[in-house]
Amino acid sequence: QKEVEQNSGPLSVPEGAIASLNCTYSDRVSQSFFWYRQYSGKSPELIMSIYSNGDKEDGRFTAQLNKASQYVSLLIRDSQPSDSATYLCAVNAYNTNAGKSTFGDGTTLTVKP
Amino acid sequence: KAGVTQTPRYLIKTRGQQVTLSCSPISGHRSVSWYQQTPGQGLQFLFEYFSETQRNKGNFPGRFSGRQFSNSRSEMNVSTLELGDSALYLCASSTGASSSYEQYFGPGTRLTVT
Repeated sequence: QKEVEQNSGPLSVPEGAIASLNCTYSDRVSQSFFWYRQYSGKSPELIMSIYSNGDKEDGRFTAQLNKASQYVSLLIRDSQPSDSATYLCAVNAYNTNAGKSTFGDGTTLTVKP
Repeated sequence: KAGVTQTPRYLIKTRGQQVTLSCSPISGHRSVSWYQQTPGQGLQFLFEYFSETQRNKGNFPGRFSGRQFSNSRSEMNVSTLELGDSALYLCASSTGASSSYEQYFGPGTRLTVT
């Protein structure tokens, strides 16, 4: 079992719809969670971080964390073609592995005009 | 504030050679992590340096090594290159604080081994 698993995708949604990206992790000591966006040919860009259970909203993006279920998700509202990218989920267990981020394989999102 | 810089951006080497990649973090950031990204394996953690000390290491052979200087700049070295080392090498900069670990990536170095 991979430490961090994401929907394999690809995920395709129409412009204006809500895109839902999911991620599960296996290490219960994980304490910080991140979503990165990576455009083709570019490096990952941090878009959201979440540290406690519940929802965190930033513009059109909402990250949701449920530590009991070891699950973190990213919702993108009013999806735009410019949101088309690969989204990477990353997890840190900084108490035992300070500085080590474990990434999922990513979910490729396509937003169709 | 300037972002993370990596040099060189592209590199072509032959098997058996060695290579050194450089990363300059965001000003004030003391942590630099290195990752290898390939289509088949995704983003794999190599190692992390914080205040000139290697704080964490991934599951890569000893041919992969790194160091960090007092100005937080970091280098990674790969010796005896193999074809499978062809990848995008990314460095990520962070404050290194244990309460938060938001990382900011450089543009990467694309290494091709022939």
